[in-house]
Order: sequence, then structure tokens, then C-alpha cells
Amino acid sequence: TQLLEQSPQFLSIQEGENLTVYCNSSSVFSSLQWYRQEPGEGPVLLVTVVTGGEVKKLKRLTFQFGDARKDSSLHITAAQPGDTGLYLCAGADAGGTSYGKLTFGQGTILTVHP
Amino acid sequence: EAQVTQNPRYLITVTGKKLTVTCSQNMNHEYMSWYRQDPGLGLRQIYYSMNVEVTDKGDVPEGYKVSRKEKRNFPLILESPSPNQTSLYFCASSPPNRGRYINTEAFFGQGTRLTVV
Repeated sequence: TQLLEQSPQFLSIQEGENLTVYCNSSSVFSSLQWYRQEPGEGPVLLVTVVTGGEVKKLKRLTFQFGDARKDSSLHITAAQPGDTGLYLCAGADAGGTSYGKLTFGQGTILTVHP
Repeated sequence: EAQVTQNPRYLITVTGKKLTVTCSQNMNHEYMSWYRQDPGLGLRQIYYSMNVEVTDKGDVPEGYKVSRKEKRNFPLILESPSPNQTSLYFCASSPPNRGRYINTEAFFGQGTRLTVV
């Protein structure tokens, strides 16, 4: 069974601060996805990284996939209250009978105070 | 509008009373799955389906059943619910393979909060 360890589980910061969320595994994934979930809603995809070492930017959010495709990070610059939510990483297993399977990390609850 | 629709959104039931949570997607996706979300555990896959009449167990299938008679629908069935199945449930669908990159980006429903007393 593949596992994804996400840290930290809780993050409470002031508006304007920077933060990084980490996602680590001993397994190799074909791709790594980051989702954001708001209360009462399902997770919504933010980004998918596929290539080892890949960096993607989405406004103030920067996503990186590790060279060995076992880990990923999400960095938010100058956080805003609108960034508050649950952030989830998910690794995709492309092989054999596990086609399409996503393994999720435990999630990071981010609270940005005005 | 492309979407995954789950019903009901909220459900309180008693131990042992059979229930079904419906899931429907309008994106013609082949791959569909059910997850449960519990605090500190993230999302765990219950069952998945690669296409019509093709289903298989995920990581936590005990106490659940599914069926896939049509491409758009993937109901989750709890034959005899127990309190440890109290959880937030999500249905998700994914688009088909795009060449060498298997597209597993999941589109989620809004969730069903189930309480079994």
C-alpha cells in the first residue's frame, strides 16, 4: 500500500506570511496532484505535476515535484484570508490494476488570519 | 455544466437499515470511485470502477457494495450500516487516458455526510 505523509496537519498564520506544505512518500508516483477543499464542498484540483523536478506556478502558489517523483511541496507567497481551506496532495499510480488510483495525504488545514 | 452529483447531501440512519447513496456524472468519464473522508486520515478509496460492469475494491471496501450498470451512475450501497461507517463520503470521476499520461485528475461531488446511530 502506498502512503503519502503530508505536513503540517494544521497551519495558522497571519495575512501576508509565506508558507510551505510538504507531501512525502517512499513510493514513486506517475503524477502528483494538489487539491483544495472548502467546508461543505468536494476537493477541487489545483494542479498536476508529472515530470520529476517540475515546478508549476498558479498566481501566488508554487508547486514542485521532487526529482525522484516521491515528494512534492506547495508554497504560498503572501497568504490571504481567501487561501483558507484544506489542502490535499494525491499521488497517482499508473500501473496495472491500480489504473487511476489516487493515494491521498492526510491534508493540511490552513487558516489565514486578517 | 460539467459536474458530479451526489444524493443525499446529509443522511442520518440507524444501524442495520440498508441505504444507497447515488452518484451521477455528466462528463462521460469511464473511471469512477468512492472515497470516505475522516479527520486525520484524508481520503480513502472504498471502491472504484473502470467502466460499465467493471468494479473493484479500493483500500477500505468492507461493509460497502457498488454497481455500475450505466456509465454515468455509480451508486454506493451499505447493506447493513454500522456506526463506524459514520463519515463524509465523496464520489469522483476521472477522464480517460490521454496517450502516455494516464489522466487521473478527479472531479468530486459535493459529498454526503452520513451518520449511523
